[in-house]
Amino acid sequence: AQSVTQLGSHVSVSEGALVLLRCNYSSSVPPYLFWYVQYPNQGLQLLLKYTSAATLVKGINDFEAEFKKSETSFHLTKPSAHMSDAAEYFCAVTRGTGGFKTIFGAGTRLFVKA
Amino acid sequence: KAGVTQTPRYLIKTRGQQVTLSCSPISGHRSVSWYQQTPGQGLQFLFEYFSETQRNKGNFPGRFSGRQFSNSRSEMNVSTLELGDSALYLCASSCAGGGDEQFFGPGTRLTVL
Repeated sequence: AQSVTQLGSHVSVSEGALVLLRCNYSSSVPPYLFWYVQYPNQGLQLLLKYTSAATLVKGINDFEAEFKKSETSFHLTKPSAHMSDAAEYFCAVTRGTGGFKTIFGAGTRLFVKA
Repeated sequence: KAGVTQTPRYLIKTRGQQVTLSCSPISGHRSVSWYQQTPGQGLQFLFEYFSETQRNKGNFPGRFSGRQFSNSRSEMNVSTLELGDSALYLCASSCAGGGDEQFFGPGTRLTVL
């Protein structure tokens, strides 16, 4: 069975500091992995996705994530936080065989301090 | 391209009633998935439709059902509403599912009184 664990329901960083949001997954076969962002009262927007082409994935707004199979991790980073990055971030895993079922992590709310 | 649209955006119902939510995917997308989002349970997968067929289903009671039309538009229905059904219901579309990116609508906020 697939599962996704996001470490830390809340993360607070100062503006300009490194952002690190942690995600670990379990999947019996190589998965597709995603990071989504949700701003208040909105749906989810894709930041980036891993589909086995490259282990370091670059996304929008300078976010990137590295797939580490040995650690079953897919942590999200951004070198310098902006106030506009304050939102909730979701890691998700899906298998691309036999249908389409995406499992989301519980989410991490990012706070950015001025 | 127009994004995923969901109607209505807000709904208030009372216990025991039923409700139908609508989702229009991005043009050309054939896969539509539904999710329930609550503060306590987070984002939970309800079901996925592809070419009018339900391909996957989450762990929700039979009161939750859905369907997809030939134009890929989808509806979900919740019968005999319970207080715990209060949630944001999100619809997402993708070209064909699998590893494709899902595009989410803004959601329908359902409140059950």
